[in-house]
Amino acid sequence: AQKITQTQPGMFVQEKEAVTLDCTYDTSDPSYGLFWYKQPSSGEMIFLIYQGSYDQQNATEGRYSLNFQKARKSANLVISASQLGDSAMYFCAMREGLNNNDMRFGAGTRLTVKP
Amino acid sequence: NAGVTQTPKFQVLKTGQSMTLQCAQDMNHNSMYWYRQDPGMGLRLIYYSASEGTTDKGEVPNGYNVSRLNKREFSLRLESAAPSQTSVYFCASSEQRQNNEQFFGPGTRLTVL
Repeated sequence: AQKITQTQPGMFVQEKEAVTLDCTYDTSDPSYGLFWYKQPSSGEMIFLIYQGSYDQQNATEGRYSLNFQKARKSANLVISASQLGDSAMYFCAMREGLNNNDMRFGAGTRLTVKP
Repeated sequence: NAGVTQTPKFQVLKTGQSMTLQCAQDMNHNSMYWYRQDPGMGLRLIYYSASEGTTDKGEVPNGYNVSRLNKREFSLRLESAAPSQTSVYFCASSEQRQNNEQFFGPGTRLTVL
């Protein structure tokens, strides 16, 4: 069964506007971690932000924030004040359990920022 | 620090040939991983190593073998390459705790003809 679902294959946003990239997940483990990675056209994977299942507050890292809705099992990435350099593939990922090494990734969303 | 390095960057094989992808990290991480990335499917875990001397299967291990040579190095071997193994291969490393992100290498683009 698919554990991570990203329903938006592609998204467009105007420069300087905010954009939300959707991610839903499926797990029965009460302890899990959610990650977002960025993959620019050059191919490298860049870590953006982390949210733990027990974290009380939504994670924020600069222009990135995570809209974590535990009951809905969603962990949407919000990018504020989009820049041209934000154009890339974005992947949501989940790691279940406290010491589990198995990280599952979604299929990704391609974000294009328009000037 | 170089982070995670992978060799080679590109490789073309014929069906049935074998090869080893090399990965090394200089961050003193215990855990290392091999993923493959196919178009439209995100990354899928092939094998991982929680610590030196241990390896475990991930989501798609068939057709691959791995060796955790020491704490720094984790290699992936294709014994008899098949066209279905055409993909981009990423190595990653991390600490084992849940909140630790994985650091990725630059990837190896493998084509099997």
